[in-house]
Amino acid sequence: GAVVSQHPSRVICKSGTSVKIECRSLDFQATTMFWYRQFPKQSLMLMATSNEGSKATYEQGVEKDKFLINHASLTLSTLTVTSAHPEDSSFYICSATTPGQGVNEQYFGPGTRLTVT
Amino acid sequence: AQSVTQLGSHVSVSEGALVLLRCNYSSSVPPYLFWYVQYPNQGLQLLLKYTTGATLVKGINGFEAEFKKSETSFHLTKPSAHMSDAAEYFCAPITGGFKTIFGAGTRLFVKA
Repeated sequence: GAVVSQHPSRVICKSGTSVKIECRSLDFQATTMFWYRQFPKQSLMLMATSNEGSKATYEQGVEKDKFLINHASLTLSTLTVTSAHPEDSSFYICSATTPGQGVNEQYFGPGTRLTVT
Repeated sequence: AQSVTQLGSHVSVSEGALVLLRCNYSSSVPPYLFWYVQYPNQGLQLLLKYTTGATLVKGINGFEAEFKKSETSFHLTKPSAHMSDAAEYFCAPITGGFKTIFGAGTRLFVKA
């Protein structure tokens, strides 16, 4: 089956620094990747949709200058949390899909736990 | 606007008992419906999906769900709960392109 990896799985950074999270589709080409944020005991909230070679589309209320998304290739998307603050601490999950052949499921990465101190 | 409701944030069953997790969606057109399971500190795993065709869908780990258009429901069931089924379950329709809307989730507890 399709596998999506995320790196790192856990990261602790100091307030004011930036951290980059990678999302890779290991055995398929992902034209579209999604970034979600999940607070403890809550559901997933879509942050942005990333299409290869174009700018990401951010959901309402998500600061695009704070959460920089780059989808430079068909197998890699990155999320950079800039000038991180403790309130950015969360579980970040990416997913990948290949639209074009009907409705395709999303393949989820294992998530990245970000803790900002 | 499309929305999804999962009734019951927590469901507790005894091992061997029936599992029923409820999901209702609102839409003017039938959506594509997914159920995902999430174990602690992990990503999501697809349990099953309905797109077209047979309305009773079987998934992994003995789970199944039935799409009922008249009731706008897609409830998840399993005849006999196992301890390993304890997890968070999300109902997630896809509508209007490729956006997935996640329900609030239902945490399933399985008692020995």
